[in-house]
Amino acid sequence: LAKTTQPISMDSYEGQEVNITCSHNNIATNDYITWYQQFPSQGPRFIIQGYKTKVTNEVASLFIPADRKSSTLSLPRVSLSDTAVYYCLVGDEDNQGGKLIFGQGTELSVKP
Amino acid sequence: GAVVSQHPSRVICKSGTSVKIECRSLDFQATTMFWYRQFPKKSLMLMATSNEGSKATYEQGVEKDKFLINHASLTLSTLTVTSAHPEDSSFYICSAISGRSAEQYFGPGTRLTVT
Repeated sequence: LAKTTQPISMDSYEGQEVNITCSHNNIATNDYITWYQQFPSQGPRFIIQGYKTKVTNEVASLFIPADRKSSTLSLPRVSLSDTAVYYCLVGDEDNQGGKLIFGQGTELSVKP
Repeated sequence: GAVVSQHPSRVICKSGTSVKIECRSLDFQATTMFWYRQFPKKSLMLMATSNEGSKATYEQGVEKDKFLINHASLTLSTLTVTSAHPEDSSFYICSAISGRSAEQYFGPGTRLTVT
């Protein structure tokens, strides 16, 4: 299971685009990159998953460079309700039986 | 999307007693369920992996006799914290995956306070 490194915290203002970068230098060939969001006293919620290049859904975009040693979660035009902890996870869930190992996460604070 | 529930959402118990937490997959059959523990301002820590009809696999450092896990059906797993102590006070979260997809669905969590 590849280890991930993220900034501990980030501040932003409403309406701004927020980019959270995650380093995963030891990512394996079969590993996917998955991001989760967690609000206080709630379980994590799946945001987005990708393998390479760019993935976009209705919530966020995920940018993955060619070497896949890092990834960037992009949240367009954040609002106060996006204040949460964001976790980057790397792994091959099929081989690990679904096991997820959470790193420290990034605490995003969105201010008015 | 798939829904996972936990019961109770909050529980307060006295030191030395046992507490059972239920995790249910409401609209899918969960071949595997996971139990996590999260202390304030900390990340989730995987405690054990639970497969239906077999013994749970515990992570290193997690006492299997203290945290009893039972996965009796494809929609229910239970975590029993035995002889609870104040240091067991934490936020316990379960998750589940179905056999068709590797996507993991998390429950809302259970706040345990041991007095």
